[in-house]
Amino acid sequence: SQTIHQWPATLVQPVGSPLSLECTVEGTSNPNLYWYRQAAGRGLQLLFYSVGIGQISSEVPQNLSASRPQDRQFILSSKKLLLSDSGFYLCAWDRAGQPQHFGDGTRLSIL
Amino acid sequence: GNSVTQMEGPVTLSEEAFLTINCTYTATGYPSLFWYVQYPGEGLQLLLKATKADDKGSNKGFEATYRKETTSFHLEKGSVQVSDSAVYFCALSSSGGYNKLIFGAGTRLAVHP
Repeated sequence: SQTIHQWPATLVQPVGSPLSLECTVEGTSNPNLYWYRQAAGRGLQLLFYSVGIGQISSEVPQNLSASRPQDRQFILSSKKLLLSDSGFYLCAWDRAGQPQHFGDGTRLSIL
Repeated sequence: GNSVTQMEGPVTLSEEAFLTINCTYTATGYPSLFWYVQYPGEGLQLLLKATKADDKGSNKGFEATYRKETTSFHLEKGSVQVSDSAVYFCALSSSGGYNKLIFGAGTRLAVHP
C-alpha cells in the first residue's frame, strides 16, 4: 500500500534562518506531488506541484522554493524565513484519476 | 478566480444531532467537488466527492449533493457521533480531476456526548 511521510511534525525557527521540510512517498511511482500551506484561520493554499523529477510549478510568489531530487521525494525550502511563513504545511500525492492523499503535516512557527 | 467558501466554525453539537456544514463555490466550467476531513493529529482524508451536477457523494453516513444552480455542496449527516469531531474542508478541482485542489478555510466540528 502507498504511504506518505512528512517530517518534522513541528518546527520552531527564528526569523532569517533556513528551512527544509521533507516529504516522501512509498508504494507508488511517478506520483504528482504537492505542497500546501494553511495559515491561521485560512484554507489550504497550493504552493507548489510537481509532475516529475526536477519539474516544479509554483502557484504563488513567495519566500519558499521546492525541489524534487528523486521520484518520490519532495522538499520545501527557504534560505531566510519570514514571520509570514508560519503555518501548517501539508504534502500530498496523487496519480491521474485518483484522489489526493495527504501527509500528517508540519506545523511551522517562526519566532 | 475559483474559490470555496465554508461556514465558519466551530460547530458544536450534541451526539445524535443533525449536522449541516455549508459550502459554496465560485468556478468557471464544471469543477469536481470534495469534502476532506482532518481528525485530531492526523492528515487530511477524502470523505466524499461529486464530479458533476446533481451527483450525491456519500460515505460514513455523510452526504453532499452537487447543486450547480446554487453553486453549493453542503455536507450533511443525520446523527453525529463523538468520533465525528474533526475539521472538515470543502474543496474543488477546476481541472475536472484531482489536481490543484482549492480549499475552503475549514470548519471545526465538536460533538459532545
